[in-house]
Amino acid sequence: SQQGEEDPQALSIQEGENATMNCSYKTSINNLQWYRQNSGRGLVHLILIRSNEREKHSGRLRVTLDTSKKSSSLLITASRAADTASYFCATVPSPSSSASKIIFGSGTRLSIRP
Amino acid sequence: GAVVSQHPSWVICKSGTSVKIECRSLDFQATTMFWYRQFPKQSLMLMATSNEGSKATYEQGVEKDKFLINHASLTLSTLTVTSAHPEDSSFYICSAPGRGDSPLHFGNGTRLTVT
Repeated sequence: SQQGEEDPQALSIQEGENATMNCSYKTSINNLQWYRQNSGRGLVHLILIRSNEREKHSGRLRVTLDTSKKSSSLLITASRAADTASYFCATVPSPSSSASKIIFGSGTRLSIRP
Repeated sequence: GAVVSQHPSWVICKSGTSVKIECRSLDFQATTMFWYRQFPKQSLMLMATSNEGSKATYEQGVEKDKFLINHASLTLSTLTVTSAHPEDSSFYICSAPGRGDSPLHFGNGTRLTVT
């Protein structure tokens, strides 16, 4: 399969709660990226974590990477209604070049209930 | 920041006609452009990689004669869906890589509906 796996496929939480999404991949990677997609739109880059990093923060986002388990997680703290979107992890294989194929996970559809 | 402009954002066409989708890099040069297809509630599937001045590389199972890709300049890549059929209805998205390990820059996608 071209894709990595994400779970859960769908997640519905109350506004203010934290949302955690997980991603697993298959090959050695150079880096892992998380993207957000609002319905019917293109993808927006959220955060990139390199293979030699274990954790990274950006605002309300926290990403972890475990290369031994080939997995990553994205935590969104204090969720807001505007966080409702689909979230995708994407891996860049190692070794990589500017034209390396980026493999997207299956995605998690996050819904924030007001 | 780098911007990829994709047009049209949506198109409705009749079976048998061809549709061209354009992606332009507005403030940077894109020697490579990735073309993805996305069905509802599914992930992005890479269709092909266009390279400026050379032939595109198609993924397994993607018909190169049906999905024509042209990358004639450093700022423009086009995808033409030829003899479109209803099963070609989908969301098509382009993206261009940044330098090094910087993230992809995505167009806003094209919703194609073939009637």
